[in-house]
Amino acid sequence: DTEVTQTPKHLVMGMTNKKSLKCEQHMGHRAMYWYKQKAKKPPELMFVYSYEKLSINESVPSRFSPECPNSSLLNLHLHALQPEDSALYLCASSQDQNTIYFGEGSWLTVV
Amino acid sequence: GNSVTQMEGPVTLSEEAFLTINCTYTATGYPSLFWYVQYPGEGLQLLLKATKADDKGSNKGFEATYRKETTSFHLEKGSVQVSDSAVYFCALSPMNRDDKIIFGKGTRLHILP
Repeated sequence: DTEVTQTPKHLVMGMTNKKSLKCEQHMGHRAMYWYKQKAKKPPELMFVYSYEKLSINESVPSRFSPECPNSSLLNLHLHALQPEDSALYLCASSQDQNTIYFGEGSWLTVV
Repeated sequence: GNSVTQMEGPVTLSEEAFLTINCTYTATGYPSLFWYVQYPGEGLQLLLKATKADDKGSNKGFEATYRKETTSFHLEKGSVQVSDSAVYFCALSPMNRDDKIIFGKGTRLHILP
């Protein structure tokens, strides 16, 4: 069964806070992704890691900082966010960069 | 460039009705095609996929056939249930694996009891 686990499920943070979103997969997938999804929109790609190296950064502001500590883990560090950054943040993984499997997402509210 | 166009929603149907959600694509070569479903408050789940022309993907009573001649991948279900209420995204993965996956805008489906 495919499973991508994200924590926390909900996060409320102030604009001066530093927080992190975490993602874990145990499927041996070599690629991991962060997406951002606003209400009633499709997910938008932010970052791609392939073999633990950052391969794609979709011109994401530096207040979002990804990290891939090992092949199973992916973090998204958040600092000095704006209210418009409030969204659902989705982690995903893929073995072949063709079929991607999503986690349940982390709902972020910036106040 | 690559693109996916799916029918605008919301689509409202009665339980046990027949469902079709249209999806057409533009891409070079032979992309892989997907349908994802997003239930309220949840992430996206892979519903079905097809990787080559004339392939039929199926899952949970849903089906879609990869039609190269019409560049389409329409989602169908013979008898919908209230629990099928969700947002459905058609998606395309280009032949070049370095290119990102393209999502349609999503179609919201409401099933009335």
